[in-house]
Amino acid sequence: DTGVSQDPRHKITKRGQNVTFRCDPISEHNRLYWYRQTLGQGPEFLTYFQNEAQLEKSRLLSDRFSAERPKGSFSTLEIQRTEQGDSAMYLCASSPRGPEGQYFGAGTRLSVL
Amino acid sequence: DQQVKQNSPSLSVQEGRISILNCDYTNSMFDYFLWYKKYPAEGPTFLISISSIKDKNEDGRFTVFLNKSAKHLSLHIVPSQPGDSAVYFCAAHSGTYKYIFGTGTRLKVLA
Repeated sequence: DTGVSQDPRHKITKRGQNVTFRCDPISEHNRLYWYRQTLGQGPEFLTYFQNEAQLEKSRLLSDRFSAERPKGSFSTLEIQRTEQGDSAMYLCASSPRGPEGQYFGAGTRLSVL
Repeated sequence: DQQVKQNSPSLSVQEGRISILNCDYTNSMFDYFLWYKKYPAEGPTFLISISSIKDKNEDGRFTVFLNKSAKHLSLHIVPSQPGDSAVYFCAAHSGTYKYIFGTGTRLKVLA
């Protein structure tokens, strides 16, 4: 399978706990994006990496959120001290170039109890 | 501040007929527009795009129309097939790497 892979697919956690999600992009893609999607909404941009450099972050990415992409390969998104409002689908996408060709993973669904 | 709006949450169309999905935007700086299709339990899949310098782009059964003066774009699917039943998102891009998505329209194609 050469698509974008996300792990885990589902995560249930208690409020206040830390969680970390992983995204493995398509191997030749140097651009990687994280989005958050809640019920009835479209994906909301969180952050963007070009290779290992985090070039843009949304205001949605509070100081409890951090994303990394060491060595420009896989990426992790960590949420510290989770809150119920963090419950959402977290989507990762990668692309080899500009606006076209953005390939999404199936997402990680987070439920904060 | 919803810069990209899809005002129809759902649409039902008979198989073989045309499906028209609409999207409105407010930011005149958007330079690229995209449509994605999403099936349940999968991530969105890129479908078709259009640059702001064009007013039409066609790919098989899918055509996207852009009306810059009205800040409106539409996706036409003809003929519609049951496999087209999905949620469709429009998205816009403004020269940074940030994409703004609409809230989606659920299309149901009836056999």
